[in-house]
Amino acid sequence: QQQVKQSPQSLIVQKGGISIINCAYENTAFDYFPWYQQFPGKGPALLIAIRPDVSEKKEGRFTISFNKSAKQFSLHIMDSQPGDSATYFCAASIAGNQFYFGTGTSLTVIP
Amino acid sequence: NAGVTQTPKFRILKIGQSMTLQCTQDMNHNYMYWYRQDPGMGLKLIYYSVGAGITDKGEVPNGYNVSRSTTEDFPLRLELAAPSQTSVYFCASSSRGLSYEQYFGPGTRLTVT
Repeated sequence: QQQVKQSPQSLIVQKGGISIINCAYENTAFDYFPWYQQFPGKGPALLIAIRPDVSEKKEGRFTISFNKSAKQFSLHIMDSQPGDSATYFCAASIAGNQFYFGTGTSLTVIP
Repeated sequence: NAGVTQTPKFRILKIGQSMTLQCTQDMNHNYMYWYRQDPGMGLKLIYYSVGAGITDKGEVPNGYNVSRSTTEDFPLRLELAAPSQTSVYFCASSSRGLSYEQYFGPGTRLTVT
């Protein structure tokens, strides 16, 4: 049973466009929602994270939108660049113990 | 700081063989994790540890064992390897202070044939 559902599986965006990746969860005990970026042959790296008491968090071109009532959160990448081409994973955790990851989104930004 | 290091980078095992995947972190993090990553499946937590001497099962612990005798090291043991254990394995650590940020190692690609 997938604790965190992620969509789309793949995404192609023009340079300068907005990339949007969505995730949904069921367990209301989750209290930490990170997004990870992974390049081929590398381990995931934390991109941005949010706690459920905040509806939005922005760091540079990356924004998390969080909807607690709908149990959904999304990653927005503004002004997408070819260097953003990677696989993105959402995740959820209870108190930093067990982490549950989405299935990943392969993003390709076309120059 | 080297961060999180994993050895080996690649390994081919025959069915029924055993091996230990090594993980070391030099950030004095209390929390350490082992994940496996399969195509299209994301990362699945195998085991985690909240400190030396304390370990707990994750989502997919069957076929694996761990130990945590020091803060720095968190080895993952595969006994009686099976083809279903073919995967990429990632170790991660976290200080679990104000932030739960996990730092991942470069991974070990394991093939069981």
